[in-house]
Amino acid sequence: DGGITQSPKYLFRKEGQNVTLSCEQNLNHDAMYWYRQDPGQGLRLIYYSQIVNDFQKGDIAEGYSVSREKKESFPLTVTSAQKNPTAFYLCASSIWGKETQYFGPGTRLLVL
Amino acid sequence: AQTVTQSQPEMSVQEAETVTLSCTYDTSESDYYLFWYKQPPSRQMILVIRQEAYKQQNATENRFSVNFQKAAKSFSLKISDSQLGDAAMYFCAYRSASGMNYGGSQGNLIFGKGTKLSVKP
Repeated sequence: DGGITQSPKYLFRKEGQNVTLSCEQNLNHDAMYWYRQDPGQGLRLIYYSQIVNDFQKGDIAEGYSVSREKKESFPLTVTSAQKNPTAFYLCASSIWGKETQYFGPGTRLLVL
Repeated sequence: AQTVTQSQPEMSVQEAETVTLSCTYDTSESDYYLFWYKQPPSRQMILVIRQEAYKQQNATENRFSVNFQKAAKSFSLKISDSQLGDAAMYFCAYRSASGMNYGGSQGNLIFGKGTKLSVKP
């Protein structure tokens, strides 16, 4: 089955720690995206990537980093510089030039 | 910058009845796409329906249909014959068509804050 997987489902971060959220897709999509969702809010774009080895900042990139070494993978690192990381993180992908984005199941990040 | 507004934080509908969720948006562009996404308790975002701005015909997907009023910048979602499984958060989203082929953030999704739909048995 084609789709987008995210792991882990729940992630706990200690103060000062960097953590990495995984996003993998086997849809052969060119573009991948990371969104953050806070309670009572819509999704806000953190980073996006149109092609391998290229990525761009979204609206709330501070405190986050990404890489795109493979077409299928777009991991997100939440660094210690992100002071309020508790949120639900959603990864999405699309065919570049096509308008519809498809989402993974999400990762819930909590701070200990 | 484009904005999307969902003015109904919560809505409720009786099973088998019809409900309409509202969405308005602000843009100076003429070519764009609009979406409704559903987020059930599992929290995965599921595409419900999409509309191309250049098409006058309202999109329909089974029990889901939209009322797209381009001049009024309105994009409401109608759910007919509501089912218990329709209970979820519903998000309206906008995407510019101009940035999609040339890169840049113009082609990214802009979301409203969502409407929580409850379905009463």
